[in-house]
Amino acid sequence: DTGVSQDPRHKITKRGQNVTFRCDPISEHNRLYWYRQTLGQGPEFLTYFQNEAQLEKSRLLSDRFSAERPKGSFSTLEIQRTEQGDSAMYLCASSFRGVGADGYTFGSGTRLTVV
Amino acid sequence: AQRVTQPEKLLSVFKGAPVELKCNYSYSGSPELFWYVQYSRQRLQLLLRHISRESIKGFTADLNKGETSFHLKKPFAQEEDSAMYYCALSSGSARQLTFGSGTQLTVLP
Repeated sequence: DTGVSQDPRHKITKRGQNVTFRCDPISEHNRLYWYRQTLGQGPEFLTYFQNEAQLEKSRLLSDRFSAERPKGSFSTLEIQRTEQGDSAMYLCASSFRGVGADGYTFGSGTRLTVV
Repeated sequence: AQRVTQPEKLLSVFKGAPVELKCNYSYSGSPELFWYVQYSRQRLQLLLRHISRESIKGFTADLNKGETSFHLKKPFAQEEDSAMYYCALSSGSARQLTFGSGTQLTVLP
């Protein structure tokens, strides 16, 4: 499968713990996005990278959240001191600059449950 | 700020019947709109975009700027069309998507 890969698929953690998710985009894609989806809602934009630069962050991304994309390849999303409200599906998507939003390829997501 | 509204959470139709999934948007600029679909246990994928004015799997959607709508239509629904459908609007230099809350379509035999 040469699509967007996300790891892990599921994560259960205790409130207050830190968690880290990984996204491997399609190799030639230079744009990478993180979205969050809660039950009954559509995905909500969190942050965007072009190559290794983080160019946009939603106000949904509190200071407990940090994302990186070293060397413009894979990306990690870390949540510190998790709260029950962080329980959601975290989606990664990638695209090639110039193609636009229709060029998005989504990963299968990481489902986080905070207990 | 942009907003996408899908007023129907659930929609059921019989096989062979026409189907229309509603989408309304609010955006101050020139909108770029999409429909995404998520079949059971599969990832989110693009169904169609208004710019291309194409028909995918028999579905079409027309942008109506006067009514700020982008409804998805299919004249004869099939059971394999059962899925969650999201309307989305692209904006900003990052081309991020603002999604509606989705409509779960069930096509009954």
